[in-house]
Amino acid sequence: EAGVTQFPSHSVIEKGQTVTLRCDPISGHDNLYWYRRVMGKEIKFLLHFVKESKQDESGMPNNRFLAERTGGTYSTLKVQPAELEDSGVYFCASSRLTGGLNQETQYFGPGTRLLVL
Amino acid sequence: AQTVTQSQPEMSVQEAETVTLSCTYDTSESDYYLFWYKQPPSRQMILVIRQEAYKQQNATENRFSVNFQKAAKSFSLKISDSQLGDAAMYFCAYNAGNTPLVFGKGTRLSVIA
Repeated sequence: EAGVTQFPSHSVIEKGQTVTLRCDPISGHDNLYWYRRVMGKEIKFLLHFVKESKQDESGMPNNRFLAERTGGTYSTLKVQPAELEDSGVYFCASSRLTGGLNQETQYFGPGTRLLVL
Repeated sequence: AQTVTQSQPEMSVQEAETVTLSCTYDTSESDYYLFWYKQPPSRQMILVIRQEAYKQQNATENRFSVNFQKAAKSFSLKISDSQLGDAAMYFCAYNAGNTPLVFGKGTRLSVIA
């Protein structure tokens, strides 16, 4: 079974430019999460998709961040325009959808390292 | 709001020895899940072990075990017979079921040959 994949692995852009990150979840996983780790700080939640719907986007820092999951498969996270404080590692995770409070393990991708200069 | 605290930014252990990584958390929920994830240098983050709060028995996975103290809201990870491949960043995490994970800041573990 293929794991969660993310593209690109690294991205270096200048302030004001646009960057789009992609995440391909494990096949059959309806839950898809985006997280971000800024240097030296905790990994923070950004948003959660259930299939193609945004279940929770309370962690999105501002309207420069736009996430989509067309068709409920892969997801993209676009940052436009990028600012210096957007630098960090962006992780994607996926899990199966279960009922009630049962928790399926979230499987993580390798992350995209974004550096905004 | 739920929080997870890892008070040890860095730890080191001699190969074949045992090390314990600390984690405390704060929540008002009664049903929840706790996790330890491991991220080796330049590699993918993987799940090491998970614990359901309703289970009194501590979870174990081969050389990895936890000491789950629900009343104290403590969830430490013990690594026995440490190996060079255990060197990694270890993250403690919490969630309340199909919700986003809340992470600690991580503990960087070095294994000395």
